[in-house]
Amino acid sequence: GQQLNQSPQSMFIQEGEDVSMNCTSSSIFNTWLWYKQDPGEGPVLLIALYKAGELTSNGRLTAQFGITRKDSFLNISASIPSDVGIYFCAGQLGNNDMRFGAGTRLTVKP
Amino acid sequence: NAGVTQTPKFRVLKTGQSMTLLCAQDMNHEYMYWYRQDPGMGLRLIHYSVGEGTTAKGEVPDGYNVSRLKKQNFLLGLESAAPSQTSVYFCASRESSANYGYTFGSGTRLTVV
Repeated sequence: GQQLNQSPQSMFIQEGEDVSMNCTSSSIFNTWLWYKQDPGEGPVLLIALYKAGELTSNGRLTAQFGITRKDSFLNISASIPSDVGIYFCAGQLGNNDMRFGAGTRLTVKP
Repeated sequence: NAGVTQTPKFRVLKTGQSMTLLCAQDMNHEYMYWYRQDPGMGLRLIHYSVGEGTTAKGEVPDGYNVSRLKKQNFLLGLESAAPSQTSVYFCASRESSANYGYTFGSGTRLTVV
């Protein structure tokens, strides 16, 4: 199947630092989404991107849909302890075909 | 508003046993999905449904069956469990074809021994 390559796999940062993670694929996606998963919970949608080149913010989070439609990045500014979790990118191929990256595990040290 | 509710939260099965995972949503969503999550991998789609009475195969459907007899419920069945089906299973739903923001349940952790 179509693979999403998400990097980095894990990050250890100090509180207050900015974070950047990205997702790339050899396939073109119609939609890119970013989710966060807390331990023992399901993923929660953070940001959805629907157009190539689109740059969208949600509080301290900013995400962009790459121009080639094969990549996306997520930035978190001024990290706080509650940002800890696993962040997943997801790309929508068809109407009901969403593919997920393997996730970036974020640890924030106070 | 409960959102998406999955039962049970945990289950241990012996190889060859059968079981059904239940997903219920109270948001009147048309589309529902079953995913499995394995360590180091993203979520993979097992089966999905675009409406009551309809089901379709996803990326990894083998060994699973589903039913959507009522709009609010989506059942995932394992007829003869295998250790390879040890995983965390997530159900998700979404409103319409114009909105790809899935709402996920909190998961069912299944261990097959």
